[in-house]
Amino acid sequence: TQLLEQSPQFLSIQEGENLTVYCNSSSVFSSLQWYRQEPGEGPVLLVTVVTGGEVKKLKRLTFQFGDARKDSSLHITAAQPGDTGLYLCAVYSGAGSYQLTFGKGTKLSVIP
Amino acid sequence: NAGVTQTPKFQVLKTGQSMTLQCAQDMNHEYMSWYRQDPGMGLRLIHYSVGAGITDQGEVPNGYNVSRSTTEDFPLRLLSAAPSQTSVYFCASSYLVKNTEAFFGQGTRLTVV
Repeated sequence: TQLLEQSPQFLSIQEGENLTVYCNSSSVFSSLQWYRQEPGEGPVLLVTVVTGGEVKKLKRLTFQFGDARKDSSLHITAAQPGDTGLYLCAVYSGAGSYQLTFGKGTKLSVIP
Repeated sequence: NAGVTQTPKFQVLKTGQSMTLQCAQDMNHEYMSWYRQDPGMGLRLIHYSVGAGITDQGEVPNGYNVSRSTTEDFPLRLLSAAPSQTSVYFCASSYLVKNTEAFFGQGTRLTVV
């Protein structure tokens, strides 16, 4: 069973459109992270959310952590070609809570 | 800043060959880990280490060995390569702090024929 379910798996939109991607689980987490991975590169951290209901903004990206701390969303306003990439959510899990477990990601393509 | 450095970037192996993927970090991070990334499967943890001399298995450890003799280095060894090990491998490092940021290398694309 996948710990984190991300949807949609693929998303192709025109430049200037808005979009939302989701990360869901049946488990409760103390925090959740979002990473972006560009082709040929490793993932890079975008944000960490730690409080239920928390909203964080990073320029045109808005991240929300669910009230029950089981899910999160990423909303992009006026998408640009530079937003193209794989968006991954991740949580720390495992016995020592240092193991980072990832969802399968949402692959976003923004067409000029 | 070098960050996390992986070598080589690309590698082709024949079935049954062995090789070592190198990973080095210069941030004095205690925690290091190896992931493999396959289409539709996401990033899966292979092995990890919380410090020099300490290693443990992740989700998909079979066919791989690791060691951690120094804080900086965390090599991944493929003992007898199989086509199922064709993948992109990422090394990551972080501090042993709650909710910390993980830093990733650029990856090694491995093809086993």
